[in-house]
Amino acid sequence: GENVEQHPSTLSVQEGDSAVIKCTYSDSASNYFPWYKQELGKGPQLIIDIRSNVGEKKDQRIAVTLNKTAKHFSLHITETQPEDSAVYFCAASYVYTGTASKLTFGTGTRLQVTL
Amino acid sequence: DAGVTQSPTHLIKTRGQQVTLRCSPKSGHDTVSWYQQALGQGPQFIFQYYEEEERQRGNFPDRFSGHQFPNYSSELNVNALLLGDSALYLCASSLEGVGNQPQHFGDGTRLSIL
Repeated sequence: GENVEQHPSTLSVQEGDSAVIKCTYSDSASNYFPWYKQELGKGPQLIIDIRSNVGEKKDQRIAVTLNKTAKHFSLHITETQPEDSAVYFCAASYVYTGTASKLTFGTGTRLQVTL
Repeated sequence: DAGVTQSPTHLIKTRGQQVTLRCSPKSGHDTVSWYQQALGQGPQFIFQYYEEEERQRGNFPDRFSGHQFPNYSSELNVNALLLGDSALYLCASSLEGVGNQPQHFGDGTRLSIL
């Protein structure tokens, strides 16, 4: 089955700096890679996702890149703000036509943005 | 637009008991997936329901069972509770359709086993 590794487990940055979180996956059939943000006492919130036919996707201060050959994908947050502090999870899935398949999650990265 | 709602928010049980957790999907969604999240870990897939049938199942024992109702809401049942079942149980909903459909999560039910 799919296995997703995520690094680092904790990340501390100063406000305004950039943060990068990296994930690798094992199953070459995986074709969908979402990122979730989880705040304390809340469920995971989808922040951005990418499909295997795209190499990069941006949404304001957040970007995700995908290297299918190396089976790597990364989350980039620019101009970090205190409200970006949370646990971030990457996930991988194989989505066939019309079906939302199961997500395999990484172990999470605790991001702390300091003033 | 109501998101995914789960009940109860917290629950305390003892070993050997049975528990039922409930989930109402996001408006317009028809597929429900359940995940178990142990403290400090990523969510682990339990199973997925679509058209009232279990469509996919993760590596969980038969003590974990579920149901989906005609209105797309869902229940997760766990029998013969073990201490190791203590976790946050998350429900995610999505819409079956052409192309990828993101899964949206509720805030979960925190289950504690004494």
